[in-house]
Amino acid sequence: DSGVTQTPKHLITATGQRVTLRCSPRSGDLSVYWYQQSLDQGLQFLIQYYNGEERAKGNILERFSAQQFPDLHSELNLSSLELGDSALYFCASSVASRRGLPTEQYFGPGTRLTVT
Amino acid sequence: QQQVKQSPQSLIVQKGGISIINCAYENTAFDYFPWYQQFPGKGPALLIAIRPDVSEKKEGRFTISFNKSAKQFSLHIMDSQPGDSATYFCAAHLSGTYKYIFGTGTRLKVLA
Repeated sequence: DSGVTQTPKHLITATGQRVTLRCSPRSGDLSVYWYQQSLDQGLQFLIQYYNGEERAKGNILERFSAQQFPDLHSELNLSSLELGDSALYFCASSVASRRGLPTEQYFGPGTRLTVT
Repeated sequence: QQQVKQSPQSLIVQKGGISIINCAYENTAFDYFPWYQQFPGKGPALLIAIRPDVSEKKEGRFTISFNKSAKQFSLHIMDSQPGDSATYFCAAHLSGTYKYIFGTGTRLKVLA
C-alpha cells in the first residue's frame, strides 16, 4: 500500500458527461501528479501541483482541469467526455523539492474510467 | 525530444532466466531514471532508480545499467521468477522541472 488513495475505483459514464476524480496524497507529501494510462499505452503526464499551486503541465486537454486543495487532496475534473477518454487515471504524490529535484513518486491504485 | 523509447513491448522468459528491458532517450536534460513495476489492477511502484553519474546500480536481483554516451539504460532481472510477471516502465525526470516522461511499458511474463 503506497499510502495514496484514489476514489472512485471504477467509474462508468456516458459521452458528454462530467466526472471528478479524487486523490489524497501520502501524509506529508506536498506534491501531486496526475497521469493517464490508456490501453497498451504508457503513463501520460497530465498535470502536477505543489502545495496548492500548479507547477507543471503535460498533455492535458482543455476539457480537463485539476486543483489541489488546502488539505492537499487533489481533484481531476474531466468534462465533455468522449469515448477516447476511457482510461486508467493515476495520481501520484511525492515530497517534491520546490527546486524541481527528482524525488520518489508513490502511485495510487488508480481510477478506471469507462465512457460509453 | 522528450520521449523515452522502451523495448521490447512484451517479453517471455523462462523461470531462472535473465529478463532485459531497454530504454533510450534523446534529451540530455534528464537527470534521474527510475524503473516502475506495475501488477494488474495496481498502480506503478518504484523498483529501482539511477542518476546519470553512475553506470550501474544493483538491488537484489534487479540491476540498472546506464550508458550516458549512448543515452540508453536498461533493467536486468536476474533469476527471473513467475512473481516478476508484471508490466515494467522506465521513466526519466526532466531536470529543474516536476516532469517525468514514461516509456510505453514492457509486459513481462515469466514461465514457471
